[in-house]
Formats: sequence, structure tokens, C-alpha cells
Amino acid sequence: NAGVTQTPKFQVLKTGQSMTLQCAQDMNHNSMYWYRQDPGMGLRLIYYSASEGTTDKGEVPNGYNVSRLNKREFSLRLESAAPSQTSVYFCASSEHGAPIYGYTFGSGTRLTVV
Amino acid sequence: GENVEQHPSTLSVQEGDSAVIKCTYSDSASNYFPWYKQELGKGPQLIIDIRSNVGEKKDQRIAVTLNKTAKHFSLHITETQPEDSAVYFCAASYSGNTPLVFGKGTRLSVIA
Repeated sequence: NAGVTQTPKFQVLKTGQSMTLQCAQDMNHNSMYWYRQDPGMGLRLIYYSASEGTTDKGEVPNGYNVSRLNKREFSLRLESAAPSQTSVYFCASSEHGAPIYGYTFGSGTRLTVV
Repeated sequence: GENVEQHPSTLSVQEGDSAVIKCTYSDSASNYFPWYKQELGKGPQLIIDIRSNVGEKKDQRIAVTLNKTAKHFSLHITETQPEDSAVYFCAASYSGNTPLVFGKGTRLSVIA
């Protein structure tokens, strides 16, 4: 089925460990996004890539890095995980730079940092 | 930047009743307003959207209204069913290359 695939679905890290969250879409979308979801805080943008080869910071970029590997893939890296990064992470994609066609979200990665 | 406020944070209704969720936005340049539904353990899914040149849009039991002067928009669900129970997010964007800014969500419970 066409859509956005995120891996892994669950992860537990120790403080200071690093990891990369993977995201791939097969809809030939130009733009991709990383959001985090915390209770009572809604969805907050971490980084986005309006098109292949470009990345920009969102509302909460500190502690994260991203790579737009190609048009399909957009990864999020935590270099030194902290308990404050415990969250559910969602990747999304949209057809054009402007989200006027709506986003397609993945099913999320639930990350716990202990 | 844009700021989106969403109310209420939780809403319980009896099956068959209507539910209304309201959002306000701060940036008068915003012109695209989607609504997303998130079921337990899943990612948000677009259910309806409205652009600033339209005041109201309907799709079966759901409708969205927009008041650009007051900078607020609302989601209306009629004849609610248990499967409508979910978290609903509103969002706003200016149709350039600006990503969506989301409200904090409303947890809707439909009681059978």
C-alpha cells in the first residue's frame, strides 16, 4: 500500500545514546516533515524538507539533525538522547512545498529515553 | 509566526448528538485550514480542509466553517457515532512553503 513508512515502531534508549529514525514515502511527494507529539502539546515541527536537497528548522530543532537522503527518504537523528526527547515521532509528506494537498502521516515511532 | 489555539481539549457527547471543535489562528496571511483525525496508535489522517476563499465546506456528516475576519474556524460533526471517537487536530498554513502549525488537539469521546 502506498504511504509513509517509519522504522522502528518502538525504541528504548539510554541517556546519551544515539539513534536514527527512518522515514520513506512512495507517493513521489516533494516535501517531508518530522513532528513530535507530546501529551497536551499537540504536534510540533522539528525539521522539514521542502524539496530534495533542502532542509529547514522547525519549532523544536534542538538536539536533532536530519538528512534528506533522496526524494523518498528523510531521516531524523538524535546524537545524544535526553529524557526530554521521550515522545512519539511522526514523519509526514506532502505533494508540494505548500501543504495545500494535505499531509500523509506515518504510523509513528514511540521513543523512550531512560 | 503562526499560533493555533484549539478548544476544548476534551469533549464527550452522546451517540447521535453533534460535536463542535473550535480553533483560532493568529496570522492573517494563513489561507489553508485542514482538520486531522488521529485514532489510537495511528498517525493523523486528513478528514476535511478549507481554503480562505470559502466560508463553509461539507462532507457527509462533517463540516468546517471559516470566519476570516475573526480568524477562527470550526469542525462540526453531526449524528456522532462511536467510531468518531478519536483525537482531532486543527491546523493552519500560509500557502507558500510554510509547514502546517497544529493546535493541541481535542479528544472526542462518543458514548453509546
